[in-house]
Amino acid sequence: GDSVTQTEGLVTLTEGLPVMLNCTYQSTYSPFLFWYVQHLNEAPKLLLKSFTDNKRPEHQGFHATLHKSSSSFHLQKSSAQLSDSALYYCALSDPDTGYQNFYFGKGTSLTVIP
Amino acid sequence: DTTVKQNPRYKLARVGKPVNLICSQTMNHDTMYWYQKKPNQAPKLLLFYYDKILNREADTFEKFQSSRPNNSFCSLYIGSAGLEYSAMYLCASSAGSGNTLYFGEGSRLIVV
Repeated sequence: GDSVTQTEGLVTLTEGLPVMLNCTYQSTYSPFLFWYVQHLNEAPKLLLKSFTDNKRPEHQGFHATLHKSSSSFHLQKSSAQLSDSALYYCALSDPDTGYQNFYFGKGTSLTVIP
Repeated sequence: DTTVKQNPRYKLARVGKPVNLICSQTMNHDTMYWYQKKPNQAPKLLLFYYDKILNREADTFEKFQSSRPNNSFCSLYIGSAGLEYSAMYLCASSAGSGNTLYFGEGSRLIVV
């Protein structure tokens, strides 16, 4: 079945350093990939979604590139900000179910320190 | 308004007692989801409604029930709570396949 793997559970970075959160997936077909972000005491919300035409999605300085050859959709940002501290989920939308099922990774908790 | 609301936000239940969690959205989304989130685990899809059609995951088929009396509301019902049901329950909605999920803030259930 489909699955999403986020290898880092906790990441601590100094402000200004680059961010890279790993996400790999397993899917029989070509899923959509997503990054959701959850700040403390808030609901998870969409950060990025993969495109079908290989464009690189970007939002709030974050970007992610879908690499089908390595089944990866890593989240990157050139310079971490204190406000980036949050829980980040990678997710995929399963084409086998008409893209109605969404499967999530365990999440990566990012803490940015001064 | 892109808000998904969940009630109650916190629920303390005794083992063996029923639990009913409510979710509402005003975005006229056709699909509503329920996820279970435990510490250090991925959010686990329990079930979702596409319009009036209920889809339940095979491994949680008998543990959770749900109803969607109208487009805006969806409930999650546990007939007899066990300790293993203690978790955060996240409701989400989306408009169409593969589109953005809009989440509520969650309902934290503690079973004692």
